[in-house]
Amino acid sequence: DVKVTQSSRYLVKRTGEKVFLECVQDMDHENMFWYRQDPGLGLRLIYFSYDVKMKEKGDIPEGYSVSREKKERFSLILESASTNQTSMYLCASSPTGTGGNTIYFGEGSWLTVV
Amino acid sequence: RKEVEQDPGPFNVPEGATVAFNCTYSNSASQSFFWYRQDCRKEPKLLMSVYSSGNEDGRFTAQLNRASQYISLLIRDSKLSDSATYLCVPELSGGSYIPTFGRGTSLIVHP
Repeated sequence: DVKVTQSSRYLVKRTGEKVFLECVQDMDHENMFWYRQDPGLGLRLIYFSYDVKMKEKGDIPEGYSVSREKKERFSLILESASTNQTSMYLCASSPTGTGGNTIYFGEGSWLTVV
Repeated sequence: RKEVEQDPGPFNVPEGATVAFNCTYSNSASQSFFWYRQDCRKEPKLLMSVYSSGNEDGRFTAQLNRASQYISLLIRDSKLSDSATYLCVPELSGGSYIPTFGRGTSLIVHP
């Protein structure tokens, strides 16, 4: 069964702290994504990566950075957490090519910044 | 125009009702679509794929109207457990690998 794992499910951090959200997929997918989801705003893309060490900004990259050193792992970094980054963060992966474009999500990371 | 638009609802229906909602898309080149279901405080999960003229899976029917550029999701005999948000996303096209989700339609099925 396909698996996208977000190791930190619930976090409470202080303003100004550096926060790491980790995501690992076991499907050998090329593409990985980080979204945040807030009530009424739907899924908003923060960053995505289509290959190791490759990254591109999504719709709301400000205040975030990412790292993809290995194909299976995609990390989201909040350099200096702020209260407006309190949200649910979803990691996802998808294959490239003719295998279908289904996207698989992790269970989400609930971040509260106080 | 947004690539995908959905009525946020909520659609509030009694058990046993039939309910349908649409998703309009702007890219006429999109060939297929996906409906995802998201339960409260959970991640989205694939519900159905919609290719060519449509797809049916039990109580769920998804249809594609290319002329008017929308897809629909019909749920018959609604159950309490159908309460969720339903998201649509077009197939990745033109070499793009960035799924664009609608904001979702909220469905509440009540006793």
